Amino acid sequence: DQQVKQNSPSLSVQEGRISILNCDYTNSMFDYFLWYKKYPAEGPTFLISISSIKDKNEDGRFTVFLNKSAKHLSLHIVPSQPGDSAVYFCAASETPGTYKYIFGTGTRLKVLA
Amino acid sequence: GAGVSQSPSNKVTEKGKDVELRCDPISGHTALYWYRQSLGQGLEFLIYFQGNSAPDKSGLPSDRFSAERTGGSVSTLTIQRTQQEDSAVYLCASSLGLGSEQYFGPGTRLTVT
Repeated sequence: DQQVKQNSPSLSVQEGRISILNCDYTNSMFDYFLWYKKYPAEGPTFLISISSIKDKNEDGRFTVFLNKSAKHLSLHIVPSQPGDSAVYFCAASETPGTYKYIFGTGTRLKVLA
Repeated sequence: GAGVSQSPSNKVTEKGKDVELRCDPISGHTALYWYRQSLGQGLEFLIYFQGNSAPDKSGLPSDRFSAERTGGSVSTLTIQRTQQEDSAVYLCASSLGLGSEQYFGPGTRLTVT
């Protein structure tokens, strides 16, 4: 049973436009969420995180939104660039200090030049 | 500086054979993690090492899987009597400590024929 779900396996966006990647979770005890980015033949790299006390966290072109009541988070990339083309994983854990992250299945983003 | 390295990058083995996968964490990182990603699945936690503490093996899928971390540095994941369902990408990550950002290696793609 997938506790963290990324229902869109792929997404294509035009360069300069907004990319929105979505993630849903089922465990109401999750209170720390992360996004990782993965290029082919490389390991995932940490992108941005958010704890449940916030509903938004921004880092440059990347913003993560959290809707706890809907058990939904999203990653916005504005403006999208071709170098953003990668697989994006969301992950969740029950506390910020735990190592047991539950990952989604990933969304492959393709930014078209 | 050097990141997390894993070897081999690809491994093809026959069903029933044993395999060893190696992970070299970032120097100074006390925590080391193994994950696997099967086709169409998210990253699945396998095992966690922190310093000299007993490892958390709660994610290992069967007793055919074992892992060691010698001298608090290099780790080896061993799969005995491999099965076709063991085919996956095995990822290693390390972090400065519990709850710190995890840095991933490029993974080992294991194919069991």
